[in-house]
Amino acid sequence: GAVVSQHPSWVICKSGTSVKIECRSLDFQATTMFWYRQFPKQSLMLMATSNEGSKATYEQGVEKDKFLINHASLTLSTLTVTSAHPEDSSFYICSARAPGGSSYEQYFGPGTRLTVT
Amino acid sequence: KQEVTQIPAALSVPEGENLVLNCSFTDSAIYNLQWFRQDPGKGLTSLLLIQSSQREQTSGRLNASLDKSSGRSTLYIAASQPGDSATYLCAVEWRSQGNLIFGKGTKLSVKP
Repeated sequence: GAVVSQHPSWVICKSGTSVKIECRSLDFQATTMFWYRQFPKQSLMLMATSNEGSKATYEQGVEKDKFLINHASLTLSTLTVTSAHPEDSSFYICSARAPGGSSYEQYFGPGTRLTVT
Repeated sequence: KQEVTQIPAALSVPEGENLVLNCSFTDSAIYNLQWFRQDPGKGLTSLLLIQSSQREQTSGRLNASLDKSSGRSTLYIAASQPGDSATYLCAVEWRSQGNLIFGKGTKLSVKP
């Protein structure tokens, strides 16, 4: 099956620093990747949609200047949390679409646990 | 507003029981619906995907049904095992190539 990886799996950073999270589709090309955020005991909430070669589309309430998304190739999207604050501590998960048949299933990465101190 | 609701929020059953998890969604014009499993602190594992034209999908001990007209889906787990303990998430895609909207999940605990 399709595999999506994320790196790092967990990161601790100090308040005010920036953190980059990578999302890779390992065995398929993904023109679209999605970034989700999950706070403790909450469900996943979409942050932005990342399209290869174009600007990301952000959901309402998500600051595009704070959460920088780059989708420079068909297998890699990156999310950079700039000037991180403790309230940004969360579980960040990416997903990528794998074309197949008449329906497009989404495959999820293992997630990145971000802790801002 | 497109929303996904899952009940119950938590469920505890003894090993061997058959069980049903419920998912409801607003707006019946869905593209597809997926059930996922999430273990604590981990990512998502896709269990079953039901396209809007389908009524059910089966994989091993799992069976998912879809009733678009009533805005409901159920995940049936047969002969539950302790290894089935996890949070089960229902997610709906309302347009092709679109994102998924998730329910809050049902936390399942299967006691040996």
